[in-house]
Formats: sequence, structure tokens, C-alpha cells
Amino acid sequence: KQEVTQIPAALSVPEGENLVLNCSFTDSAIYNLQWFRQDPGKGLTSLLLIQSSQREQTSGRLNASLDKSSGRSTLYIAASQPGDSATYLCAARNSGNTPLVFGKGTRLSVIA
Amino acid sequence: NAGVTQTPKFQVLKTGQSMTLQCAQDMNHEYMSWYRQDPGMGLRLIHYSVGAGITDQGEVPNGYNVSRSTTEDFPLRLLSAAPSQTSVYFCASSYFEKSEAFFGQGTRLTVV
Repeated sequence: KQEVTQIPAALSVPEGENLVLNCSFTDSAIYNLQWFRQDPGKGLTSLLLIQSSQREQTSGRLNASLDKSSGRSTLYIAASQPGDSATYLCAARNSGNTPLVFGKGTRLSVIA
Repeated sequence: NAGVTQTPKFQVLKTGQSMTLQCAQDMNHEYMSWYRQDPGMGLRLIHYSVGAGITDQGEVPNGYNVSRSTTEDFPLRLLSAAPSQTSVYFCASSYFEKSEAFFGQGTRLTVV
């Protein structure tokens, strides 16, 4: 059974810092992995989807990487801003008839 | 383009009452799913549908029913609400099972 872990649970950084959020998964036979952002009291906003055949995906200041062999994905945020403060969730999807499996998220605070 | 729309946003029920959480998407997505989000538990899959007329159970289906009569709508029914069903409920959709998932804004349900 796929399990997804995100460490740390919370992270606080000063504005302007580059940062990395970590996501690890137990089953390397993933089909794809998706990163989401969730603001307090809101829904999940899709940030990046990275397929198992890809090593990374980029969108603006965000870059997601995937290393199936080590069971890890990272979300890199460049030049962080207070508006980046939110909870970031990763979710892995395996091959076959399996649903998205979510980590519990990393709550990011960017301090001005 | 409205995306995934959930109604209501907030609801308070008494134990034993029934209700339906509505979910509609206007992206012609085949795959739709319902999750609940609880503190410390992350997001867990309740039910999902791979197309009109086809539904299946997820990780935590007990106490919930679904049906999928159209591509656009995927309502979630609570038959007899219990305090353990107090949660935030999210509906998600994607073109097919393994493509990028899009989430609604959630329904915050309290059962007293």
C-alpha cells in the first residue's frame, strides 16, 4: 500500500529565501505525483503534475522533481514571498485502479 | 469556466438527519471523487466514479452513498448523519483517472 510522508509538518522562512519542501513515498511504482497548495479554509489548488517518466516540472517560481528510485519528490520555491504562505500537499498515484494518496502536508509561513 | 463547484459551503446537521452534498463540474471530466479532510488524518477517499453510471468505494465509504447519472454531477449523500462525519468534504474531478485532479472549495459539515 502506498504511503506518502511530508516532513517537516511546518516550516517558517524569511521572505526572499529559496526553499525546498519534501515528499517521500513508499512504493516506487507510481504513475504520477501532484503537488497542491491549500490556503486556510479553502480548497486545493493544483500546482504541478509530474509524470513517472519525467524528472522535473516547472511553473514560474516553482520546480518539482521526482526520483522514483529513492521514493522522493521535492518542490522548490524560489525567492519566497509572504503570499506563498499556505499548506503544500503532495499526492501520489500508482498504476492500476488506485486513487491519489495524499501526504499530510507542510504548512509554510513566509515572514516579511 | 467555473471548474468544480460544491454546495453548500457550510452545513450543520443534527445526528440522524440526512442530506446531500452537491458537486458539479463543467470541464467534461469523466473521473470524479469525494474526499474528507480531518485534522491529523489528511485527505481520505470516500467514493469515486470513472464515468456516468459507474461508481466505486474508496477508503472510507461507510455512511455515504453516491450516484452518477450525468457526467457533470456527482452528489454525496449522508443517510443518517453521525458526529464522526463532522469534517471538510472535497469533490475532485479529472479528465480520466490518472490525469491532473482539480478540487472544489469544500463543504464544511458539522454534525451535532
